[in-house]
Amino acid sequence: DGGITQSPKYLFRKEGQNVTLSCEQNLNHDAMYWYRQDPGQGLRLIYYSQIVNDFQKGDIAEGYSVSREKKESFPLTVTSAQKNPTAFYLCASSMGWVAGGPNNEQFFGPGTRLTVL
Amino acid sequence: AQSVAQPEDQVNVAEGNPLTVKCTYSVSGNPYLFWYVQYPNRGLQFLLKYITGDNLVKGSYGFEAEFNKSQTSFHLKKPSALVSDSALYFCAVRDTGHTGGFKTIFGAGTRLFVKA
Repeated sequence: DGGITQSPKYLFRKEGQNVTLSCEQNLNHDAMYWYRQDPGQGLRLIYYSQIVNDFQKGDIAEGYSVSREKKESFPLTVTSAQKNPTAFYLCASSMGWVAGGPNNEQFFGPGTRLTVL
Repeated sequence: AQSVAQPEDQVNVAEGNPLTVKCTYSVSGNPYLFWYVQYPNRGLQFLLKYITGDNLVKGSYGFEAEFNKSQTSFHLKKPSALVSDSALYFCAVRDTGHTGGFKTIFGAGTRLFVKA
């Protein structure tokens, strides 16, 4: 998990509430990713960012939003529009185009477990 | 569209025996293939990758994987399993023919149990 931190480790959300999950990396990576993990479904891509100030929707972006104002940070907001947000959320990063781009493996944070009350 | 299939939810093997965790993929261009391992309530850890070159790729902890283009497979193998190898294993693919390049698709995961 080294180099990427996620906070909080556990998060509880009430109905209708927006919550923001933090992801910070000190690996000097250009690319960052957010995944959702549900039992039996593996990891599903929510959003990814290849470079600062740019990001693209993944396969399940509805009800989520992100920003990439700094290279080190890629926060994820789970909005009230996300009807089933209870899941384990994983952030990852990898080197960018200058260093080989998609050749490079991802480094993952320890995850945030979000539960809707 | 790119996709990854891990046909086995669970693989059981005795310690000391060889293990195989299967993965097949579908992409429009050339694939970049990865294997990751996850221990309970943790993030994923990188094991190995295939980008180009030799079809047999060696990685961490004694694991290796064989790229087979004709069968569109990238099976993970280890000659002698350890109890400590018990974990959840994910295969992942990036499609060089897909715009963006960084989009990564993961399989559903295979749980490996190694019995002492």
